[in-house]
Amino acid sequence: DARVTQTPRHKVTEMGQEVTMRCQPILGHNTVFWYRQTMMQGLELLAYFRNRAPLDDSGMPKDRFSAEMPDATLATLKIQPSEPRDSAVYFCASALPWDRENNEQFFGPGTRLTVL
Amino acid sequence: GENVEQHPSTLSVQEGDSAVIKCTYSDSASNYFPWYKQELGKRPQLIIDIRSNVGEKKDQRIAVTLNKTAKHFSLHITETQPEDSAVYFCAASLAGGTSYGKLTFGQGTILTVHP
Repeated sequence: DARVTQTPRHKVTEMGQEVTMRCQPILGHNTVFWYRQTMMQGLELLAYFRNRAPLDDSGMPKDRFSAEMPDATLATLKIQPSEPRDSAVYFCASALPWDRENNEQFFGPGTRLTVL
Repeated sequence: GENVEQHPSTLSVQEGDSAVIKCTYSDSASNYFPWYKQELGKRPQLIIDIRSNVGEKKDQRIAVTLNKTAKHFSLHITETQPEDSAVYFCAASLAGGTSYGKLTFGQGTILTVHP
């Protein structure tokens, strides 16, 4: 049963520190999404990649957030410097190439980030 | 860009009753509408989806209806069970161009099914 994996599952850090979250998409999936979930804002799309190329990162604060896909098996989301308002659950999701049958996004377990 | 509104924000029903959650979307070009279920502390998981060329889709106790003219779609759960208790999210997506696959989510509905 192939699944998206994310590390770390939990991260507590102090304001100003750098945070790196990692995601391994399901093998064969060419689209990777990063979402942030908070009680107030719900599920927000931060950025997404297709075939490792960034397609849209308009949901991401550019001054402190960056997202990359060094290779097809790894996506990273980095926050530098982190702030208390970044505290949230960050989900990665992956999907097969879009066609009439394959549209489902498969979510990872999430990284729960707490910035003190 | 797309905007998705979801109602109600909370829904409480008795076991065996039906539950209905409604969503509206703003972009008439959207053509894919999935529903995700998220249990407490878990990842969102797809439970059913519908495309704009279909008006209704059913899978056992859950069904989704779509009204393209009015730009709204609904999730129907019949014979609810306590294990249906979760947060449900609707979403809308464009299929085509570089935006395909990009989901805009509603705010979520907390469904509680009382035994």
